Amino acid sequence: QLQLQESGPGLVKPSETLSLTCIVSGGSISNDLYYWGWIRQPPGKGLEWIGSAYYSESTYYNPSFRSRVTISVDTSKNQFSLRLSSVTAADTAVYRCARHDRYSYGTFDPWGQGALVTVSS
Amino acid sequence: NFMLTQPHSVSESPGKTVTISCTGSGGNIGNFYVHWYQQRPGSAPTTVISEDNQRPSGVPDRFSGSIDSSSNSASLTISGLKTEDEADYYCQSYNSNNWVFGGGTSLTVL
Repeated sequence: QLQLQESGPGLVKPSETLSLTCIVSGGSISNDLYYWGWIRQPPGKGLEWIGSAYYSESTYYNPSFRSRVTISVDTSKNQFSLRLSSVTAADTAVYRCARHDRYSYGTFDPWGQGALVTVSS
Repeated sequence: NFMLTQPHSVSESPGKTVTISCTGSGGNIGNFYVHWYQQRPGSAPTTVISEDNQRPSGVPDRFSGSIDSSSNSASLTISGLKTEDEADYYCQSYNSNNWVFGGGTSLTVL
């Protein structure tokens, strides 16, 4: 059964870069059927897609984040990562990783449990 | 920009039927699948309807989904409401290399 687990610092200072990793187990990140995505949820608010990557390094980003975000895939470690630069308090959120289908634009499934990242000095 | 708009909240009594709408703007909602997620507090979202109207294994048949192209909207209907259905529900679709979520609807069963 495929499982995803986020890891990274829970506290980031304003203007610095948020970095998170999603470790994939129970399946290969090199499966060409799937994208690997990041979604965030500020406290008490809704879901927001940040971006997605394909193992061949193709990436797609939400225009709202495009200038600040980088998603990369490490097939040797079966994991993918998120970097979000120049963070502010508005970037405080639970960040989750998820897999989604490349060809049928299918659901995000499964999801990681999420990592709360607080932006504060 | 393609957007999906949901009512902020809905409430209904146990045993009744509730419908949550998801209206598309900036694009045709019928061009790509709409999916629906249930999210309980402190948990990751789970899929209750995929590909407009398909129920994943384990989701009760009380949950159903539909698309109305004439109004550019999708709907999630939950019949025979149970208190355990109380949660946040999100629609989600795709348009022009963007994966979009609706703002979410808080369902209260009282």
